[in-house]
Amino acid sequence: QSVLTQPPSVSGAPGQRVTISCTGSSSNIGAGYDVHWYQQLPGTAPKLLIYGNSNRPSGVPDRFSGSKSGTSASLAITGLQAEDEADYYCQSYDSSLSGLYVFGTGTKVTVL
Amino acid sequence: EVQLVESGGGLVKPGGSLRLSCAASGFTFSSYSMNWVRQAPGKGLEWVSSISSSSSYIYYADSVKGRFTISRDNAKNSLYLQMNSLRAEDTAVYYCAREPPYPGRHFDYWGQGTLVTVSS
Repeated sequence: QSVLTQPPSVSGAPGQRVTISCTGSSSNIGAGYDVHWYQQLPGTAPKLLIYGNSNRPSGVPDRFSGSKSGTSASLAITGLQAEDEADYYCQSYDSSLSGLYVFGTGTKVTVL
Repeated sequence: EVQLVESGGGLVKPGGSLRLSCAASGFTFSSYSMNWVRQAPGKGLEWVSSISSSSSYIYYADSVKGRFTISRDNAKNSLYLQMNSLRAEDTAVYYCAREPPYPGRHFDYWGQGTLVTVSS
């Protein structure tokens, strides 16, 4: 079960900037654990997009950026492109007894 | 090139068992912790289980604890998930995912997934 909360959907026109929030608690993001982001294109496996709050793996365009503050994190996509239409998930470590890693509820990005 | 290829999914009746496998290539498998993550149809991602590089540390989500067993064979570059007492709510695509070294705690490569359907 997801313990990181994301908006179900965000949308924007090509070229615009959109942001996705990820809200956690004192046992995960608020405890200082890093936040990571994944992109899942329709019918495919998730792909690592941002790790360690704000780092991009090789090959990920610099249109994608991440940040973290307090018990929340954000993913920003600038210069939105049609190929960015996908589901996005945040993820962190959780120190509670119920598990090790937690994912966000997921956000569908629609390019208008 | 890092590759993770899952297999073993299929249709199983409630209460039944299934063993998933994940064949790894393109990296030194024995140096990485590995994980299973699942995704129910039309739903989000759920972490299932984690195993350290030498199998010394193993963790499970509460939802599968006592029913699923993760294991690995470093000589065969393979990860496994033994699933017993399967329930309808275990129906999902199961992905194996590599966890990079410290500080890690995320998943840098994923397999294509294998579908497990639990239904009578």
